Amino acid sequence: GAVVSQHPSWVICKSGTSVKIECRSLDFQATTMFWYRQFPKQSLMLMATSNEGSKATYEQGVEKDKFLINHASLTLSTLTVTSAHPEDSSFYICSARSGGGRQGISSYNEQFFGPGTRLTVL
Amino acid sequence: EDKVVQSPLSLVVHEGDTVTLNCSYEVTNFRSLLWYKQEKKAPTFLFMLTSSGIEKKSGRLSSILDKKELFSILNITATQTGDSAIYLCASLNTGTASKLTFGTGTRLQVTL
Repeated sequence: GAVVSQHPSWVICKSGTSVKIECRSLDFQATTMFWYRQFPKQSLMLMATSNEGSKATYEQGVEKDKFLINHASLTLSTLTVTSAHPEDSSFYICSARSGGGRQGISSYNEQFFGPGTRLTVL
Repeated sequence: EDKVVQSPLSLVVHEGDTVTLNCSYEVTNFRSLLWYKQEKKAPTFLFMLTSSGIEKKSGRLSSILDKKELFSILNITATQTGDSAIYLCASLNTGTASKLTFGTGTRLQVTL
């Protein structure tokens, strides 16, 4: 299957600082990338959908000025948590989906998940 | 608002038991139902179900979708300790966004 990497895998930062998380598709071009957040013992919650070269679409309740998403190339999307607070501590997972060049199952462009980034804000 | 609910929330079984995990959904523009296994990191894909009543099988795991009653089940037979994980189901909608809406997850623990 396709490989998606995330960097860093874990990060600890002080309250008020900004943290950037990278999501890369290593062997395919991802026209769409998704960012999820997962709190302990809870499910994945979609935060935003980003398409290469355009602005991200944020889910209801997600502050776009706090969670900045940039999808500048077909293999890289970044999520920046600005002015992080302890309540932002969570597991952030990205997924990447090709635009048709790489098919998954039954013509559905499968989402391939990254390994996640655990953010702890002190 | 799209909703996906799983039950039970958690389950402890002995190795060798058979388990059934449930997933119900209320989703507009429904296309497919997907099952994932999540251990310590990101989810790994198990099944995608689009048609009602057609069982998909992979080894000891199988799954089926009922589009009339809006639910799916995931069966694991002869469970092993390596099956211990969180099992997530997710609905996939139609359209260009093709978003996944995840359920609450079922935490399965298989003991010796």
